[in-house]
Amino acid sequence: GENVEQHPSTLSVQEGDSAVIKCTYSDSASNYFPWYKQELGKGPQLIIDIRSNVGEKKDQRIAVTLNKTAKHFSLHITETQPEDSAVYFCAAGAPGANNLFFGTGTRLTVIP
Amino acid sequence: DVKVTQSSRYLVKRTGEKVFLECVQDMDHENMFWYRQDPGLGLRLIYFSYDVKMKEKGDIPEGYSVSREKKERFSLILESASTNQTSMYLCASTPVWTGELFFGEGSRLTVL
Repeated sequence: GENVEQHPSTLSVQEGDSAVIKCTYSDSASNYFPWYKQELGKGPQLIIDIRSNVGEKKDQRIAVTLNKTAKHFSLHITETQPEDSAVYFCAAGAPGANNLFFGTGTRLTVIP
Repeated sequence: DVKVTQSSRYLVKRTGEKVFLECVQDMDHENMFWYRQDPGLGLRLIYFSYDVKMKEKGDIPEGYSVSREKKERFSLILESASTNQTSMYLCASTPVWTGELFFGEGSRLTVL
């Protein structure tokens, strides 16, 4: 089955700096790569996703890049703000499989 | 907005008790999921259901069962709770598989 590894497990940045979280996956059939943000006391919420026919996707301060050859994808947050502090999960999904495989999470702390 | 409601946010149970965790979604989604979230392990799939009365095992089904008698409701059952089932349980739903999961706020279960 699919195995998704996520690094780092914790990340602290100064407000205004950039943050990068990296994930690798094992199943070359996976073609859908979402990122979820979980704020304290809440369930995870989708913030951005990418499918394997594109290499990069941006949404304001958030971007995701995908390297299918190397089987890794990354989340980039620029100009971080205190409200970006949360736990972030990457995930991978394959066609025909109505399920996602999640990474172990990254706790991001943005220091004001 | 999609709303996934988990009826109990916090539960404390004794070893050997039968535990029911209820989840209701209001968007007529076909697919519903139960995940378990533990620090350092991310989200692990327990069971999912793609239709009423249908269920599929996820990665860690042992010690759990589920029930889906109505489309909007998906219940997780611990027949005889054990201390190693102390965890955060997250319910999620999605329409015919698009990839995006809509999560509830979670049920934190402590088994003493």
